[in-house]
Amino acid sequence: DGGITQSPKYLFRKEGQNVTLSCEQNLNHDAMYWYRQDPGQGLRLIYYSQIVNDFQKGDIAEGYSVSREKKESFPLTVTSAQKNPTAFYLCASSMGGSVLTGNQPQHFGDGTRLSIL
Amino acid sequence: QQPVQSPQAVILREGEDAVINCSSSKALYSVHWYRQKHGEAPVFLMILLKGGEQKGHEKISASFNEKKQQSSLYLTASQLSYSGTYFCGTNGEYGNKLVFGAGTILRVKS
Repeated sequence: DGGITQSPKYLFRKEGQNVTLSCEQNLNHDAMYWYRQDPGQGLRLIYYSQIVNDFQKGDIAEGYSVSREKKESFPLTVTSAQKNPTAFYLCASSMGGSVLTGNQPQHFGDGTRLSIL
Repeated sequence: QQPVQSPQAVILREGEDAVINCSSSKALYSVHWYRQKHGEAPVFLMILLKGGEQKGHEKISASFNEKKQQSSLYLTASQLSYSGTYFCGTNGEYGNKLVFGAGTILRVKS
């Protein structure tokens, strides 16, 4: 079955530490996204990538970094510069790259819950 | 600019209907609707595109007023499984980048 796999499910970060959240998809989707969700709030876009080796900042990119070296993988690093990292992080993917205008559904992984130790 | 959803929360009994609204201050190419159950991933429900095309769930309907930049999601004859938080995501530019509303909590009681 095709889908999106996020790991780990739970992650704890120590002060001054960088942590990396994994996101892998086998849907053959071109576009991938990282969102942050805080309690009682909607999803806020951190970074997105429409093709391999290219990505753009979303609305809250400060303190985060990404890479897109393979079509299947879009890891997110939460750096020590992100002072309030506690949140639920969701990865998503969709068909279509830059030629399509918002007409493809996004498919989400099960999320990673990050907390500070 | 984050779209505004209303109501913030609604409680229904099984079989009742509900309408959830999503309003944007920007011109839109498309509106997406997703449902998220507590602690789980959001699940795709519906896309409404400028020009009238729709893609999505058979048992859920929605409308998109392009001139008013508004969309409404219609849940009819609600079932317990409809409970969750409903998010609209709006797309107002080239590509598939979405801006999500804060969500509407729907609870269906037996």
